[in-house]
Order: sequence, then structure tokens, then C-alpha cells
Amino acid sequence: KNQVEQSPQSLIILEGKNCTLQCNYTVSPFSNLRWYKQDTGRGPVSLTIMTFSENTKSNGRYTATLDADTKQSSLHITASQLSDSASYICVVILVNYGQNFVFGPGTRLSVLP
Amino acid sequence: EPEVTQTPSHQVTQMGQEVILRCVPISNHLYFYWYRQILGQKVEFLVSFYNNEISEKSEIFDDQFSVERPDGSNFTLKIRSTKLEDSAMYFCASSPGGPSTDTQYFGPGTRLTVL
Repeated sequence: KNQVEQSPQSLIILEGKNCTLQCNYTVSPFSNLRWYKQDTGRGPVSLTIMTFSENTKSNGRYTATLDADTKQSSLHITASQLSDSASYICVVILVNYGQNFVFGPGTRLSVLP
Repeated sequence: EPEVTQTPSHQVTQMGQEVILRCVPISNHLYFYWYRQILGQKVEFLVSFYNNEISEKSEIFDDQFSVERPDGSNFTLKIRSTKLEDSAMYFCASSPGGPSTDTQYFGPGTRLTVL
């Protein structure tokens, strides 16, 4: 079964600190892997998109990595800000498959002053 | 900056009633999507739409759901006979190109409450 798992479920850090969120997937074959930020009660906002052949992709303070061999991805947030408090969702886009998008459950990040 | 808009922001309906959720995608985008998120759970894909027809749909998108692009700007999701378990946040999204390459832009969502 195609699944995306994320860890930790929730994380609390202090403003200015770095953190890394993990995503493990069993989806195969896939087209690309995405990380989204979702503020409470809002729609997800795209952070990064990586194809299966890419190892890393950066977007400002966000850096995503992908290891297709171990089927793992990570999202690293540098110098966290209070506005980074949100859920971070890993999504895998399937190739030519009926259920095209497989969402992870998200990691809830809280950044404290 | 262009954005996806959705109306209404909150819809309350009685079980068995029909509801139509409306979305206005970004104007030059070609691909449109509906997702739902039950409170406290993960986002789930419902359907993707391209060139005036459904391109992909999930197991959730059964016969009680339908989508339509009635004119050049709106994209709608209809639930024919709502059930209690349809209560969720429904997100519309659009992208300029297909899901294998392009960023999807999500709307703010419509919270559907079925009583």
C-alpha cells in the first residue's frame, strides 16, 4: 500500500534554532515529492518540489533532501521564526496511478520566543 | 499576486441535502484539484480536472461527488446527498501545468458541516 509517514508528530523549538523533519514513504514509482506548509485553518503552501533524481532543493531557510534508495526525505528549517509555527506536510505524487497524491499526516511545529 | 478563491468559507447543511462548493482558480492555470481534510486528519486527494474532464480521482470520489467547470472562471464540487462523514474542510487548488512538474496553489478552503 502506498503510504507516507512523518516524524516527529509534533515538535517544539525555540526561535532562532534549526530543526529537521522526516518523511518516509513506500510509494513507488513516483514522479515527485513535495513539502508543504499549512497554517491552522488555511490551505497548504508549497515549499519545495523534488523529482526522484534530485537530492536537495532549497527555498530560503527551507532545505529539502531526498534519498530515493532509502525512500526518505527531510526538511531542514534554519534559524526558525515564530511564523514557522505550522504543520509541515510531505506529499508524494504518483506516476500514472489512480490515486495520484499521497499525503503524509504532517509534523506540527511550534516555535516559541 | 493572483490567488485561488473559494466560496463560501463555511457551509452548514442537513444530512441528505445537496451542496455546491465553488472555486475560482488562478486565471491562466490549466489543472484544477479538490482535496478534503477531516478535522485533525491528513489532507486527502479527491479529484483532478484538466481540459474539461476528470484526469484522476481517488476512491473517495464516488458517485455522490461531481465536478464541473461551468464557465471560464469557476470550478465547482457538488456533493449530491451529504452524509455526516462529509464534514470536512474542502480545498481547491490549481496549477499552470500538470502535477508531475508544477506547483499547486491552494485556496483558503470551505468548511462543510453536515448536521
